[in-house]
Amino acid sequence: GAVVSQHPSRVICKSGTSVKIECRSLDFQATTMFWYRQFPKKSLMLMATSNEGSKATYEQGVEKDKFLINHASLTLSTLTVTSAHPEDSSFYICSATRGQGASNEQFFGPGTRLTVL
Amino acid sequence: SQQGEEDPQALSIQEGENATMNCSYKTSINNLQWYRQNSGRGLVHLILIRSNEREKHSGRLRVTLDTSKKSSSLLITASRAADTASYFCATDDLIGGATNKLIFGTGTLLAVQP
Repeated sequence: GAVVSQHPSRVICKSGTSVKIECRSLDFQATTMFWYRQFPKKSLMLMATSNEGSKATYEQGVEKDKFLINHASLTLSTLTVTSAHPEDSSFYICSATRGQGASNEQFFGPGTRLTVL
Repeated sequence: SQQGEEDPQALSIQEGENATMNCSYKTSINNLQWYRQNSGRGLVHLILIRSNEREKHSGRLRVTLDTSKKSSSLLITASRAADTASYFCATDDLIGGATNKLIFGTGTLLAVQP
């Protein structure tokens, strides 16, 4: 149990286009989903926290108009990179928690590799 | 930056040897977790240690936590080539107020030579 999927696993797009990445909790309802980005050989940096039915909370320095997050249901959150540029190329990973509380485990998706040409 | 630091950044050992990775963090925590990431893949949760625990074991993994020094270590005993991966520590963000948030360390890249 506690499987999180991401789609697509890889995407290549042209500069200026928008890309949508889906994060789904397959066998549980996710009260909260998180979006991270990871540059090569670097750590995960939290971009935003998403709760179903409410606006996402963005970390300092993350442009909310560029990285649109929608958490429409308890099993789906989407991240849209708008007007993508080469510097947005990165590995995007989502995670989900299925309850609330300080020690709640996050279950991670397999990641999406975005390459912007 | 609240990001924790890990050392070493990279570690290369022979199969059968033990591998020790260290993590230091900056804030008060409820718990600390260790994750593993194979190249280009998602994260796999390894172990969680609570702030009132000092040591925890899971199979070949041994984790220690010293809250007075704000540090933790992960020991992998009798390493195997399949243990080759990046290892990250992560702490919950008490200062931010949202206790579900995780702050990841910089990671240790472990290479186990067969």
